[in-house]
Amino acid sequence: DQQVKQNSPSLSVQEGRISILNCDYTNSMFDYFLWYKKYPAEGPTFLISISSIKDKNEDGRFTVFLNKSAKHLSLHIVPSQPGDSAVYFCAARKGGGADGLTFGKGTHLIIQP
Amino acid sequence: SQTIHQWPATLVQPVGSPLSLECTVEGTSNPNLYWYRQAAGRGLQLLFYSIGIDQISSEVPQNLSASRPQDRQFILSSKKLLLSDSGFYLCAWSFNRDSPLHFGNGTRLTVT
Repeated sequence: DQQVKQNSPSLSVQEGRISILNCDYTNSMFDYFLWYKKYPAEGPTFLISISSIKDKNEDGRFTVFLNKSAKHLSLHIVPSQPGDSAVYFCAARKGGGADGLTFGKGTHLIIQP
Repeated sequence: SQTIHQWPATLVQPVGSPLSLECTVEGTSNPNLYWYRQAAGRGLQLLFYSIGIDQISSEVPQNLSASRPQDRQFILSSKKLLLSDSGFYLCAWSFNRDSPLHFGNGTRLTVT
């Protein structure tokens, strides 16, 4: 059972435009959400996170939005740059539960010149 | 600052052979430690996590085991590898359960 879903395996965006990566979750026990970026043959790198008590968190070009009623979060990257081309993973943690994060399958973002 | 070291970067092992992957963290004490696996076309799956020395929790029953002989050392092992053990293995650490995980560069394991 996939508790964290990233339904778009890939996304192509023109350089300078906005990239929007989406993530849905099914478990209402999740209280902390994160986005990771991964280049080939490397480990994922933490990008940005959001607690379930917030609906928006911003860090430079990256903004994460959380819609708890829809169990949906999104990552906005603006403006998109060539170095943003990577696989992006959405992850979630259960409140008061076991350690560790539950990850989605990832979305491959391709920034076109 | 904190750093995480994971080795080897790549490994090719025959079916039935043993496995030992090692991970160490520097620059912090008593970190939470994790082993994840990414199989082809799939997301990251949590295998083991540890909140302290000799405190290991397994998330998925499998052919693998983990040990934490020292505070900042986490080892993933197998006595006999299966073909299905092939994948990309990632070690990660965090300050505690409320902070983000930070990953090593991973080990690409191919079982032949």
